Amino acid sequence: GDSVTQMEGPVTLSEEAFLTINCTYTATGYPSLFWYVQYPGEGLQLLLKATKADDKGSNKGFEATYRKKTTSFHLEKGSVQVSDSAVYFCALYTGGFKTIFGAGTRLFVKA
Amino acid sequence: NAGVTQTPKFRILKIGQSMTLQCTQDMNHNYMYWYRQDPGMGLKLIYYSVGAGITDKGEVPNGYNVSRSTTEDFPLRLELAAPSQTSVYFCASLIDRAAFFGQGTRLTVV
Repeated sequence: GDSVTQMEGPVTLSEEAFLTINCTYTATGYPSLFWYVQYPGEGLQLLLKATKADDKGSNKGFEATYRKKTTSFHLEKGSVQVSDSAVYFCALYTGGFKTIFGAGTRLFVKA
Repeated sequence: NAGVTQTPKFRILKIGQSMTLQCTQDMNHNYMYWYRQDPGMGLKLIYYSVGAGITDKGEVPNGYNVSRSTTEDFPLRLELAAPSQTSVYFCASLIDRAAFFGQGTRLTVV
């Protein structure tokens, strides 16, 4: 079945460091791919998305490229801030009414 | 634009008690979902609905019930609360393949 695997956390970085959170997927068909972010005490929010191969999603300085060949959708940011501390979820949707979420990766950014 | 609204935000239940978690959305989305998130864990799908009058089980439906009489509302019912149902519950709706989440209900069963 469809699945999403993302790197285990926590990831701890200093402010202004480069961030990569790896995400790979297994899916039949042509999924749309997403990154969601969850700040402490809140629900998940859509961060960015890509709907077809080679698409790049971007928002708030975060980027991810839909790589069909490597079945990956890695999240990157060039310079993280303390306010980026959150849990990040990679997810896919193939149209079967259900979104498949990864387990989440917690990011801590130190000042 | 309120989006997805959940009530209550917090609740403590005694073992065996019942309660309904409310969820309403004002975006006219057909697809709605209930998830639970245990501490440090990802999301598990409890129930989902693809439109008014249509509901189906997710991964972990035991101990829960849902109804969907209108497009806007999708309440989750716990009939006999158990400690294993201590969790944070999220309601979500879906449009254009992207999910919109409520703020969550933190439930403790003691």
